[in-house]
Amino acid sequence: GAGVSQSPSNKVTEKGKDVELRCDPISGHTALYWYRQSLGQGLEFLIYFQGNSAPDKSGLPSDRFSAERTGGSVSTLTIQRTQQEDSAVYLCASSVTGTRAIEQFFGPGTRLTVL
Amino acid sequence: EDQVTQSPEALRLQEGESSSLNCSYTVSGLRGLFWYRQDPGKGPEFLFTLYSAGEEKEKERLKATLTKKESFLHITAPKPEDSATYLCAVDAEAGNTPLVFGKGTRLSVIA
Repeated sequence: GAGVSQSPSNKVTEKGKDVELRCDPISGHTALYWYRQSLGQGLEFLIYFQGNSAPDKSGLPSDRFSAERTGGSVSTLTIQRTQQEDSAVYLCASSVTGTRAIEQFFGPGTRLTVL
Repeated sequence: EDQVTQSPEALRLQEGESSSLNCSYTVSGLRGLFWYRQDPGKGPEFLFTLYSAGEEKEKERLKATLTKKESFLHITAPKPEDSATYLCAVDAEAGNTPLVFGKGTRLSVIA
């Protein structure tokens, strides 16, 4: 079956512009996660959605970052007024449930470059 | 604060030269430890989950083991196609984040 998909695969933007990154999780997966991977750094957790519960936003680095998940499926991560330090690969993952210690399946990522 | 440290940062092996990658962790209560493989330009690919000390799992040339403070990923007779970055992540009882990742070990296997 289809895995997690993300779009666009690459995004180049100018400092100060807003960007939207999209994630389509595996069908039937109720949990969805966003991570950020910067050069030389580990994956940094951003936000977590589980079913209809309020999202866990504890990893968002600033109020310029927000995310939505519509209909319990597709998710969009929005970064407003982008800064050069936002340049990174943004990864989305999904899992069957939000139960802890269940493996997450990752998409290919969106590489964001802020000029 | 939960910590995950992987070593070495980079490892270069000759084809057939077995070795081990280390993942040490300090968490308040481990619920699960995960190993992923990541190829350049791709997302991490799930390999193993380990839940308790003493547990071992194998897949082809890879074997993962777990103790109370660390996990090892043993690679037996590696091939060039095993070249990738290997990531370790933990899920802890007291943490708010679903997974805490290490920075990875970049493995190169030379023919």
